[in-house]
Amino acid sequence: EVQLVESGGGLVQPGGSLRLSCAASGFTFSEYWMSWVRQAPGKGLEWVANIKQDGSEKYYVDSVKGRFTISRDNARNSLFLQMNSLRAEDTAVYYCAREGWLSAANHWGQGTLVTVSS
Amino acid sequence: DIQMTQSPSSLSASVGDRVTITCRASQSITNYLHWYQQNPGKAPKLLIYATSRLQSGVPSRFSGSGSGTDFTLTISSLQPEDFATYYCQQTYSTVTFGPGTKVDIK
Repeated sequence: EVQLVESGGGLVQPGGSLRLSCAASGFTFSEYWMSWVRQAPGKGLEWVANIKQDGSEKYYVDSVKGRFTISRDNARNSLFLQMNSLRAEDTAVYYCAREGWLSAANHWGQGTLVTVSS
Repeated sequence: DIQMTQSPSSLSASVGDRVTITCRASQSITNYLHWYQQNPGKAPKLLIYATSRLQSGVPSRFSGSGSGTDFTLTISSLQPEDFATYYCQQTYSTVTFGPGTKVDIK
């Protein structure tokens, strides 16, 4: 069974940093593109970033470019999101997701809440 | 970036109703269009990928169609567990989601 478990969320002050992790199991992690998607409280879904199987390609939504870095460790079956210079508008539940055919996200974690507030 | 719109933004329906949700892209995305269902406090769930392909385990009352810029999600006979919010997503270029359509009980 495919499982994705996010961790690392919490309360952080504006300008601070946080590193999210996503532990994957039940599939061959190194064979899949992976994504981060977020959802601000009461709002819709926003794609944040994705990363190729070997980490050689990474893409970001404009609003996080230069502040967030997606990475992966295939030996540890883990996906990461390093978030720096956090802003109030980054407050959201962050989901990791596995991509499938045509990059549709066919498996999702339960999400981890990031709150940016003083 | 490609902008996605959905209509309606919300709808009220009864069990057994046929429901159609429309998604429109600001430019052609060929068939790079997917649909998700989300219940409150839960992660999204993939229903339809590549416009019309049913994700494994998803009931056959869900179907998708369209191409280019205009797409639809149809629920042929609404069931109690289908009251949720539905999002379309394009992956043709930098990924974007539609704003969502909330389906609630009439």
